[in-house]
Amino acid sequence: EAQVTQNPRYLITVTGKKLTVTCSQNMNHEYMSWYRQDPGLGLRQIYYSMNVEVTDKGDVPEGYKVSRKEKRNFPLILESPSPNQTSLYFCASSLNRNKNYEQYFGPGTRLTVT
Amino acid sequence: DQQVKQNSPSLSVQEGRISILNCDYTNSMFDYFLWYKKYPAEGPTFLISISSIKDKNEDGRFTVFLNKSAKHLSLHIVPSQPGDSAVYFCAALIQGAQKLVFGQGTRLTINP
Repeated sequence: EAQVTQNPRYLITVTGKKLTVTCSQNMNHEYMSWYRQDPGLGLRQIYYSMNVEVTDKGDVPEGYKVSRKEKRNFPLILESPSPNQTSLYFCASSLNRNKNYEQYFGPGTRLTVT
Repeated sequence: DQQVKQNSPSLSVQEGRISILNCDYTNSMFDYFLWYKKYPAEGPTFLISISSIKDKNEDGRFTVFLNKSAKHLSLHIVPSQPGDSAVYFCAALIQGAQKLVFGQGTRLTINP
């Protein structure tokens, strides 16, 4: 089954404790992206990757890191989480940058930072 | 600066009637528009799209209309069904660009 998976689905952590949210897709997609969803703000892009070893900032990259060492995986790293990073996070993938309108989303990770 | 706006946070419609969800945008460079649907505890799923060279695209019960002069698009669902209850996100992009720009979302509730 073609899908995007994220882990964990739910995470409660404390300020400053490094964490990683994993994202994996099995569709051989080139393009991957991370979004956060906040009330009244919709989905905002954090980082994206057009292919292996190619990443770039989205609209709200502060406080986040990403890496793309393999085509299928695109982890999101919070080196020192803060309460304003409490949000619902989605990973998405698409075939390539020319087909990035049809993005496939993971189920989401709800993160709470206390 | 919100380039894509959905000004109605919520909409309630009776089953069998028409649901109309609206979206406005400010960037005239956008040339492709999409609607995504999101159920609770799931990621958004692609629903329907329209290129800026068209003014209408239909897929079963779903029709998207684009008014470029007004920078406005709408999603019509006819007839509305209980399974259509979800949050709907409007999105826009410049083809070949790196990102989709999403609106804030509209929560649609279909009442029996």
